[in-house]
Amino acid sequence: EADIYQTPRYLVIGTGKKITLECSQTMGHDKMYWYQQDPGMELHLIHYSYGVNSTEKGDLSSESTVSRIRTEHFPLTLESARPSHTSQYLCASSEILAGGNEQFFGPGTRLTVL
Amino acid sequence: GQNIDQPTEMTATEGAIVQINCTYQTSGFNGLFWYQQHAGEAPTFLSYNVLDGLEEKGRFSSFLSRSKGYSYLLLKELQMKDSASYLCAALSGGYNKLIFGAGTRLAVHP
Repeated sequence: EADIYQTPRYLVIGTGKKITLECSQTMGHDKMYWYQQDPGMELHLIHYSYGVNSTEKGDLSSESTVSRIRTEHFPLTLESARPSHTSQYLCASSEILAGGNEQFFGPGTRLTVL
Repeated sequence: GQNIDQPTEMTATEGAIVQINCTYQTSGFNGLFWYQQHAGEAPTFLSYNVLDGLEEKGRFSSFLSRSKGYSYLLLKELQMKDSASYLCAALSGGYNKLIFGAGTRLAVHP
């Protein structure tokens, strides 16, 4: 079944740790996105990609980095986590065609940095 | 600048009709999405409008006026499970990025 997956779903770590949030989709979509969402607040785009070897920064500045080595995989890395990184991180994907492409969201990773 | 405005909270009664409004200002507007998001879950797609007018899909309808920068989501025959946040999002620019509003938290009560 075509879907979009994120792991882990929940993560509690200490300050200074390096972490990677995984996102994979089996829909063959070229475009992938990372959003950050605090409780009760809007989604903010932090990274996006149009395809393999393409990555762009989003509207909200983020200390995280991303890579797109394979179409289906779009991991997000924090080199040194801080409490200010505590948030929900949502991965999404859509087709490359212009206009009207529904973004499919993964279940999200809720990150807590102590 | 780019801006999406929608009410923060609304309440309604089971079985009733509710309209959630959204106004937007974006560059290179390419359409308007509505998503539903239950607490702690990912957003799920409800509707997409690119042309002016009303799109109906079961109990949910969405309306767009491009000249007024305005959209609304209409929910009929409300059910308790419709209690959720409803996110208005504008597709913007040559790269088709989604700009999200903060969401409207709808509480449906008996």
